[in-house]
Amino acid sequence: DIVMTQSPDSLAVSLGERATINCRSSQSLLLSSNSKNYLAWYQQKPGQPPKLLINWASTRESGVPDRFSGSGSGTDFTLTISSLQADDVAVYYCQQYYNTPYSFGQGTRLEIK
Amino acid sequence: QVTLKESGPALVTPTQTLTLTCNFSGFSLSGHNNGMRVSWIRQPPGKALEWLARIDWDNDKFYNTSLKTRLTISKDTSKNQVVLTMTNMDPVDTATYYCARSGYCTGATCYPSGMDVWGQGTTVTVSS
Repeated sequence: DIVMTQSPDSLAVSLGERATINCRSSQSLLLSSNSKNYLAWYQQKPGQPPKLLINWASTRESGVPDRFSGSGSGTDFTLTISSLQADDVAVYYCQQYYNTPYSFGQGTRLEIK
Repeated sequence: QVTLKESGPALVTPTQTLTLTCNFSGFSLSGHNNGMRVSWIRQPPGKALEWLARIDWDNDKFYNTSLKTRLTISKDTSKNQVVLTMTNMDPVDTATYYCARSGYCTGATCYPSGMDVWGQGTTVTVSS
């Protein structure tokens, strides 16, 4: 099974500053036949289901603000929020869909400093 | 508009079997090269997400390795439902249970994807 590890577990960033969350997989999520990384990023606010932000490691879902970006390939990935807004306070998860069983990272709690 | 909604008992006693239903609309889980997939995911209070199982349009089924002896996933395409059963429930299984859609096809090839639409979740407490 693929193990997903996020860092840090929690993060406090000032409004307007950059927030960076890392995710590492225990094996490569890059499928060579189509050059796609099978990794997603989700945002979860209290009392709500997760919301898909990023697909294929770097493809923003429709309606997601462009301050959210995903990068990385293989086993190391990053979610960046370029200018933190109050509405971005949430827990963020990465998830691999390269293989079943699917797996999530342990989550990163993002707060305002 | 794609929607999913979970339903099931709010309280189960230890050793009981849990049956959860995901009613969905706006897409189909049948047909050739449909590409659609529905997963179940759970989240204990204050803890991380845990993927449980997935069923595909072609009836392929996949399970969490550590829970697979307790889980069964099935679909009723005529009712647009996906059902998850979990046997021998324990207090550690107390969680919010979600169903979510994923997958797409391009041309004749279908691919997995991130889970783009989720239900609101149903909370299950296991207690005597």
